[in-house]
Amino acid sequence: AQSVTQLGSHVSVSEGALVLLRCNYSSSVPPYLFWYVQYPNQGLQLLLKYTSAATLVKGINGFEAEFKKSETSFHLTKPSAHMSDAAEYFCAVRGSGGYQKVTFGTGTKLQVIP
Amino acid sequence: ETGVTQTPRHLVMGMTNKKSLKCEQHLGHNAMYWYKQSAKKPLELMFVYSLEERVENNSVPSRFSPECPNSSHLFLHLHTLQPEDSALYLCASSQDSNQYTGELFFGEGSRLTVL
Repeated sequence: AQSVTQLGSHVSVSEGALVLLRCNYSSSVPPYLFWYVQYPNQGLQLLLKYTSAATLVKGINGFEAEFKKSETSFHLTKPSAHMSDAAEYFCAVRGSGGYQKVTFGTGTKLQVIP
Repeated sequence: ETGVTQTPRHLVMGMTNKKSLKCEQHLGHNAMYWYKQSAKKPLELMFVYSLEERVENNSVPSRFSPECPNSSHLFLHLHTLQPEDSALYLCASSQDSNQYTGELFFGEGSRLTVL
């Protein structure tokens, strides 16, 4: 069984401020972890992924996430928010090997205030 | 065409109509998915096809009927829908094997409104 919890359905930050979106997971097998972003009226787009190679993962648009096994966390960060970062962000987990179901979190809407 | 393409992007239908949503992937993947995204609800997995066989069917009402004729195409046939079925329907594909991490590639979605 696996699950994902995203803390905070809405997060507001000022332009230029640090972005921190929280994700905690549970998984009975070594997990693969993902962050996806969804802009209005669009599908989800992969932002970054953890596949056990390195615990600090860098993604597109300056985002990165750190896998912390002891805390079962995979928080998403960006040092300086840009107006174009306003979107909804989804954390997801799946088990490794062959076909495995992907479980999504409930999403966090990021608002960037000018 | 590249990536995952969904048609139509917008669909309005009455409760007695029959319509279909189409998804096509140009990525050479072997698995395809239908997700339902409703306002203020988590993303709901509806159906999964892996190597053209249905491997997931998450208690979806029979008024939704999937079809996967080959690894590149996926359909969702709709009939006698209810207003609560109004949502964004997302198609996705992935390459599923021990060598791949299985990240999903999504289409832009089909916005369905049931009157």
